[in-house]
Amino acid sequence: QKEVEQNSGPLSVPEGAIASLNCTYSDRVSQSFFWYRQYSGKSPELIMSIYSNGDKEDGRFTAQLNKASQYVSLLIRDSQPSDSATYLCAVAAGGFKTIFGAGTRLFVKA
Amino acid sequence: DAGVIQSPRHEVTEMGQEVTLRCKPISGHNSLFWYRQTMMRGLELLIYFNNNVPIDDSGMPEDRFSAKMPNASFSTLKIQPSEPRDSAVYFCASDPGGTVRLGEQFFGPGTRLTVL
Repeated sequence: QKEVEQNSGPLSVPEGAIASLNCTYSDRVSQSFFWYRQYSGKSPELIMSIYSNGDKEDGRFTAQLNKASQYVSLLIRDSQPSDSATYLCAVAAGGFKTIFGAGTRLFVKA
Repeated sequence: DAGVIQSPRHEVTEMGQEVTLRCKPISGHNSLFWYRQTMMRGLELLIYFNNNVPIDDSGMPEDRFSAKMPNASFSTLKIQPSEPRDSAVYFCASDPGGTVRLGEQFFGPGTRLTVL
């Protein structure tokens, strides 16, 4: 079983819609959770971090964490073509080691 | 404020040659990470340092790979001898440390390595 699992996609949504990206993790002692965005040919860029159960909103992005279900999600409201990228879920169990999922490709159709 | 700097950005070499990748982390960041990314395996952590000390190198694929961090502003990842299966994009990332935003990493632009 992979430590951090994501649907590889592609997830295709029309412009203006809500994109919902999901991630599950296996290590119950995980403490820190992140979403990175990676454009093709570029490096991962941190867009959201969440540390406690519930929702965290930042602009059009909302991260949701449910530690009991070992589940993290990212919602992108009013999706734009510029949001088209691969979204990597990452989980840290303490210390410094972070495990990345394989990523979900998002395609926003204009 | 400069981000993480990596060099070279592209490297093409022949099998058997030594390859050295370089990284300058963001000033003041306490932790440094080396990752490798391929289509097949995704983003893999190779090694990470905290305060210039290697903490976990369990991700280093084999003895052909070595990494050093002689000071807080410089790290190298060396492959000797290189093989075609080492072809990948190698990323360096740094983490400011502390407890407020634990684990947030900032990535460099990467080095695209091609071993012929």
